[in-house]
Amino acid sequence: DQQVKQNSPSLSVQEGRISILNCDYTNSMFDYFLWYKKYPAEGPTFLISISSIKDKNEDGRFTVFLNKSAKHLSLHIVPSQPGDSAVYFCAASARSGAGSYQLTFGKGTKLSVIP
Amino acid sequence: DTGVSQDPRHKITKRGQNVTFRCDPISEHNRLYWYRQTLGQGPEFLTYFQNEAQLEKSRLLSDRFSAERPKGSFSTLEIQRTEQGDSAMYLCASSLWGNNQPQHFGDGTRLSIL
Repeated sequence: DQQVKQNSPSLSVQEGRISILNCDYTNSMFDYFLWYKKYPAEGPTFLISISSIKDKNEDGRFTVFLNKSAKHLSLHIVPSQPGDSAVYFCAASARSGAGSYQLTFGKGTKLSVIP
Repeated sequence: DTGVSQDPRHKITKRGQNVTFRCDPISEHNRLYWYRQTLGQGPEFLTYFQNEAQLEKSRLLSDRFSAERPKGSFSTLEIQRTEQGDSAMYLCASSLWGNNQPQHFGDGTRLSIL
């Protein structure tokens, strides 16, 4: 039972255009959402996050939108650059009884930005 | 900028052997997590430490797995009697105390079981 789903395994975008990566979740207890970027042979790198009390968070070229009623979030990258080509993971967390904020990840979306 | 460090980067071993991995978190981070990632999947949670206390374990963490964080600084993950299914990338992450703190990951240890 996948609680975090990224339904698009891959996405190709022209350099300079907008990249939109989508993520859906099922667990209504999730209250903190993150996006990570991963290059081959490296660990995931934190990009941007959003708390459930907000619906938008922006950091430079990256914006994350959260629609709690639809249990959906998206990452917008504008403008897309060839260096953005990587696998992007959506992750969600909720505080456990033990105090852990363990992350539940989607399977990732491979973004290719074409020069 | 000292990030999360993991050692070794790669480990190849024969089935049935024991292996141990090390993680050095970001120095001021008191939360430490271990995850496992297999091909085509996102990372999956294994266990959580708050300082030196191991407070949560996933059901993925069989009794062949043990983790420690003896002084609340570095952590080790040991797998005894390795099996083919243990082949994966083992990732360590750390974060600050408090709500909504992002976890920062190391580059992982890739384990291959022959």
